[in-house]
Amino acid sequence: QKEVEQNSGPLSVPEGAIASLNCTYSDRGSQSFFWYRQYSGKSPELIMFIYSNGDKEDGRFTAQLNKASQYVSLLIRDSQPSDSATYLCAVRYNAGNMLTFGGGTRLMVKP
Amino acid sequence: KAGVTQTPRYLIKTRGQQVTLSCSPISGHRSVSWYQQTPGQGLQFLFEYFSETQRNKGNFPGRFSGRQFSNSRSEMNVSTLELGDSALYLCASSPSSDPSGEQYFGPGTRLTVT
Repeated sequence: QKEVEQNSGPLSVPEGAIASLNCTYSDRGSQSFFWYRQYSGKSPELIMFIYSNGDKEDGRFTAQLNKASQYVSLLIRDSQPSDSATYLCAVRYNAGNMLTFGGGTRLMVKP
Repeated sequence: KAGVTQTPRYLIKTRGQQVTLSCSPISGHRSVSWYQQTPGQGLQFLFEYFSETQRNKGNFPGRFSGRQFSNSRSEMNVSTLELGDSALYLCASSPSSDPSGEQYFGPGTRLTVT
């Protein structure tokens, strides 16, 4: 069974710090990887996706993928209280659009 | 562009009834996927439709079904509702099945079964 694992947290960081969120996956055939942010009571919002080994940067966010070690991470620089949310890692295994989600990591950014 | 829309936003049903949820994808998007989100199980994939054909199906009982219309709008149906079907049902649209395959979620339909 294909699994995606995340530490549930909460991960607490002070405002302005770097938040590091990690995700591991079980299937080496995984094709692409996504990070979503979900505020309480809202639907998931796509932050970034990555499908090649290495880093991908978008503003304050950097996604990192290491297929050999089967992990993907999300770094949030200069964390703000508005970044406080649950971050969901999702993995796409096949040619369709079926995503397998991790349980999410709750991030708390303290002023 | 308008985002993904879902109707209704909230629904209360009784055990044994059936329910139909609707999703309109982002204009130009041809793939629609449905997910169920519960506190205990998290986000779980139900099924995906692309060009009116079911392309992928998750591990849910046959009471859960869906369809897609020629304009890419999609509906999902749950028959013989059970208390455990109470959840947030999310629809996501994607432009195609390219390697990135990013999906954008709608606001969801909150279903409560009593």
